[in-house]
Amino acid sequence: EVNLVETGGGLIQPGGSLRLSCAASGLTVSTNYMNWVRQAPGKGLEWVSVIYVGGNTYYADSVKGRFTISRDTSKNMVYLQMNSLRAEDTAVYFCARMLVPPGISHVTGNDYWGQGSLVTVSS
Amino acid sequence: QMTQSPSSLSASVGDRVTITCRASQSITTYLNWYQQQPGKAPKLLIYAASNLQSGVPSRFSGSGSGTDFTLTISSLQPEDFAAYYCQQSYTVPFTFGPGTKVDVK
Repeated sequence: EVNLVETGGGLIQPGGSLRLSCAASGLTVSTNYMNWVRQAPGKGLEWVSVIYVGGNTYYADSVKGRFTISRDTSKNMVYLQMNSLRAEDTAVYFCARMLVPPGISHVTGNDYWGQGSLVTVSS
Repeated sequence: QMTQSPSSLSASVGDRVTITCRASQSITTYLNWYQQQPGKAPKLLIYAASNLQSGVPSRFSGSGSGTDFTLTISSLQPEDFAAYYCQQSYTVPFTFGPGTKVDVK
């Protein structure tokens, strides 16, 4: 059974830094496309970042230069380092695995999700 | 950019419901659909435009290619009242549509 558990959220002042962790079980993060998706209170879903199997990383324009996605294969974990936080970064952050179905050979939807971790940026 | 219509709709149990999603440029068939209940993580319903995710009831179906896509619920059930989102996985950034809320008429 696959399980993703996010930790590290909380209340942080504008301009501060926070690191979210995603502990994976039942799948190996280094052989999967792992991403972060966030949802501001009462709003829709926003894609944030992805780390590819080969190690390439990509970001939404809204977080580029401030957020960094990484993984630790020895711990089977994915991280999101968030710097220079702003009020508009306030959201629940979800860790998710992107499905690559047999015979399609391209990333598709997120089939496994964590429960989410709330980040509140406020003074 | 992804757009969805309608932004909300009211329906009754047993209704046929259709939600559309449009991409600003061709994404071939790399379009995915999610259902989200309040306070929960999204659930993948359809991947690559028309493939039903394992465990998802067959009343859900998806179609389309290029820029125009459709999610259809053939006979709405009580547990289907929720928000629905499309997402393109053709290229980064993997943008989501703004969502469609389906509520009780």
